Amino acid sequence: RKEVEQDPGPFNVPEGATVAFNCTYSNSASQSFFWYRQDCRKEPKLLMSVYSSGNEDGRFTAQLNRASQYISLLIRDSKLSDSATYLCVVIRLGGATNKLIFGTGTLLAVQP
Amino acid sequence: DTGVSQDPRHKITKRGQNVTFRCDPISEHNRLYWYRQTLGQGPEFLTYFQNEAQLEKSRLLSDRFSAERPKGSFSTLEIQRTEQGDSAMYLCASSLRTGNYGYTFGSGTRLTVV
Repeated sequence: RKEVEQDPGPFNVPEGATVAFNCTYSNSASQSFFWYRQDCRKEPKLLMSVYSSGNEDGRFTAQLNRASQYISLLIRDSKLSDSATYLCVVIRLGGATNKLIFGTGTLLAVQP
Repeated sequence: DTGVSQDPRHKITKRGQNVTFRCDPISEHNRLYWYRQTLGQGPEFLTYFQNEAQLEKSRLLSDRFSAERPKGSFSTLEIQRTEQGDSAMYLCASSLRTGNYGYTFGSGTRLTVV
């Protein structure tokens, strides 16, 4: 079982739709949580950090549930430019490395 | 350009050949990571340097793989006797030891082994 699990999709949604992605992580020592965006054949780029209190950045809302070890990303009013792969990422406590541990990613295709 | 640079962007090689990739991190970043990404998967951790010291290696890094960061600046990743299964995107990232971690990824080197 992978340490970070995501539904690979694809999620095909019309412009203007609201779409939600979910992610679960298996290691309770996970410390920090992020959503990254990756365009086709490009490098991953940080979309937003995720906090237990929930955080919002424009049309994007991220939520963390530590008890359930569950992370979510909500995108409102989808744009064509939102089409990309969304990667759920955790950093685990206990090491000096602070390496990012990625899920497989969820592919979003926003249709006109 | 003050980002993370990787060279080459693309590499096609025949099976059995050796290849070497280079990563130039952001100059003040003391932490450097190598990741590998195959189609349909998220990036997987390969190895980590803090300054010139290689502090962690994944079990994915077989004996055919070696990485160096000789002066704590740029890093190289070498793959010896390449196999078709080595075909992937090799990503380098650097960061400072800060609370928000501040990772920056390079554009990657896409390796195709034929």
